[in-house]
Amino acid sequence: GAVVSQHPSRVICKSGTSVKIECRSLDFQATTMFWYRQFPKQSLMLMATSNEGSKATYEQGVEKDKFLINHASLTLSTLTVTSAHPEDSSFYICSAIPRGRPGVNTEAFFGQGTRLTVV
Amino acid sequence: EDKVVQSPLSLVVHEGDTVTLNCSYEVTNFRSLLWYKQEKKAPTFLFMLTSSGIEKKSGRLSSILDKKELFSILNITATQTGDSAVYLCAANAGGTSYGKLTFGQGTILTVHP
Repeated sequence: GAVVSQHPSRVICKSGTSVKIECRSLDFQATTMFWYRQFPKQSLMLMATSNEGSKATYEQGVEKDKFLINHASLTLSTLTVTSAHPEDSSFYICSAIPRGRPGVNTEAFFGQGTRLTVV
Repeated sequence: EDKVVQSPLSLVVHEGDTVTLNCSYEVTNFRSLLWYKQEKKAPTFLFMLTSSGIEKKSGRLSSILDKKELFSILNITATQTGDSAVYLCAANAGGTSYGKLTFGQGTILTVHP
């Protein structure tokens, strides 16, 4: 099946620093990738939609200047958490939809997730 | 606003029991309903349902969708301790929101030996 690789899987950073998380589709092209955040014992909440070659679309309540998204190619999207605070500590997961013919249903493939701890 | 609600939120059973997990949804421009199993890391895909009344089956797991009642169930028969996990359902919208998943809260399933 399709593979999405997310890196790093775990990161600890100091408060005030920035952290970059990468999401790569390894064997397919994805014009659209999605970034989710999951707090402990809660479900996945969509943060933003990453579109190749254009600006990301953020969900309500998500600060675009804090969570910078860059979708530079059809196989790579990055999420940068800027000026991280302890409350940003969470599990961040990306997903990608293989580019396909209109009307074809394909499931979203998830990366392994990144556990961010801000100390 | 799109919404997905799962029940029960948690379930404790013994090995060999059969469980039914529920998922209801209200999604504009609904396209498909997906079930995932999440253990310690990212969710792993179980089923995608697009048509009403057609059961999908994989081993001891099966799932069905009712698009009239906006409802889906996931059944697990002869449960094993390895089935212990969080089960998530998610609704996939179509059109410009294609691929944008709205997740339910999840059902925490614990299977005791």
